[in-house]
Amino acid sequence: AQTVTQSQPEMSVQEAETVTLSCTYDTSESDYYLFWYKQPPSRQMILVIRQEAYKQQNATENRFSVNFQKAAKSFSLKISDSQLGDAAMYFCARIDSGGSNYKLTFGKGTLLTVNP
Amino acid sequence: DTGVSQDPRHKITKRGQNVTFRCDPISEHNRLYWYRQTLGQGPEFLTYFQNEAQLEKSRLLSDRFSAERPKGSFSTLEIQRTEQGDSAMYLCASSRASRSDGYTFGSGTRLTVV
Repeated sequence: AQTVTQSQPEMSVQEAETVTLSCTYDTSESDYYLFWYKQPPSRQMILVIRQEAYKQQNATENRFSVNFQKAAKSFSLKISDSQLGDAAMYFCARIDSGGSNYKLTFGKGTLLTVNP
Repeated sequence: DTGVSQDPRHKITKRGQNVTFRCDPISEHNRLYWYRQTLGQGPEFLTYFQNEAQLEKSRLLSDRFSAERPKGSFSTLEIQRTEQGDSAMYLCASSRASRSDGYTFGSGTRLTVV
C-alpha cells in the first residue's frame, strides 16, 4: 500500500515564529505530486502548496515552503511568521503523476495551534 | 463559479434510514471524488468519476453505499440502512484531468447516525 505518514498529531507555535510539520510517504513510483492541504475548523480543505517530484527545487508560496527530500521520501512544510489564521489541521497528500490512478492519498493530519 | 458545493451541510438520521448527499463540482472539472473523514483521521477515498463513468470504488464502499453522476455533472452518494459507524464527514472534490492541480474540495456533509 502506498501510504502517507504524519508523525506529529499536534504541534503548537507562537505567533510570528516558525514551525515545521513533518510528512513521509511510501511509493514505488518515480514521478508523483505532493501536496499540503489546510483544513480550518468547520471549514473546507484548501490547497496550501504543491511539489512535483521530478523538480529538485523546493516549492515556496509566500510564508509557506517545503523541504522535499526525494531519496528519503520526506516532504515537510515550514510555516514562517506564523499567524493566528494558520491554526488548522494540515494534511500531507500524494498522487501519482501518470497511469490510471487518480486517487489522492492523505496522511492522518497534524493539528496546528498558534498561540498569541 | 462558486467552487464545489455540497448539500446538506449536516444530516442527522436514525439508524436504518437511508440518506442521500449531493455534490456539485466546478463546472469545467471532469473528475469528481468522494472521501470520508472521521474525527482525527485524514480523508479516506471512497470512489471517483470521470465524467459520468464511475472508475474506481474503495473496499470501504460497502454494498449499502452507491454513488452516481448522471450526465457527468452533479453527483449523489446514497447510504442505505445507515449504521452508527457511518457517522463521518463526507467530502466531495473535483479536479481537471491534470493531477498537478490537486483537488478542490467542498465543505463536506457531516452525517450523524443516532
